[in-house]
Amino acid sequence: DAGVIQSPRHEVTEMGQEVTLRCKPISGHNSLFWYRQTMMRGLELLIYFNNNVPIDDSGMPEDRFSAKMPNASFSTLKIQPSEPRDSAVYFCATREGGTGELFFGEGSRLTVL
Amino acid sequence: QQQVKQSPQSLIVQKGGISIINCAYENTAFDYFPWYQQFPGKGPALLIAIRPDVSEKKEGRFTISFNKSAKQFSLHIMDSQPGDSATYFCAASTLTGTASKLTFGTGTRLQVTL
Repeated sequence: DAGVIQSPRHEVTEMGQEVTLRCKPISGHNSLFWYRQTMMRGLELLIYFNNNVPIDDSGMPEDRFSAKMPNASFSTLKIQPSEPRDSAVYFCATREGGTGELFFGEGSRLTVL
Repeated sequence: QQQVKQSPQSLIVQKGGISIINCAYENTAFDYFPWYQQFPGKGPALLIAIRPDVSEKKEGRFTISFNKSAKQFSLHIMDSQPGDSATYFCAASTLTGTASKLTFGTGTRLQVTL
């Protein structure tokens, strides 16, 4: 299996622009998580889905952030408008079933100028 | 509210030495405690995990020690090697529910010197 696939790997954009990060989960994994990693705050859970349904989005920092999972093979995290403080590495992670090991993608490094 | 506290923030150990990273949790409902290892430019990957019904779990050079009464758990890396240099995250969650979520510690950057 190819693992969790994230794109783009690197994104540099200007403040105010829309950013869309994409994730393809491992086939058969029905739980999907979006994390943000920064030096100051470590790994923060933004939102997670179970069977394509958002379960908890309490970690989404503001209304500027939104996430969707239209089907079992694809999820997006969108930031509109982006701000410099959104600069971070965003990880998508998936899991088979409700418990157990999380498999992380390699992350999308976002820089907002 | 930080539910999992991790220390130290960084650690330098000589090759062959023992690396020890500590974590403390607050939520007594947590019943699954994994450790993840992250290399630069990569996502975290599961290293080892423990349930609270045992006090210790060993896999090769990696051991988790768990103290339920103190709500603490630690990772010991025996005979540390330069290839172990990475960032280590402890985490905790419940195992019940349809989609239990992991809460991570802030990470420990380990450097193993020659």
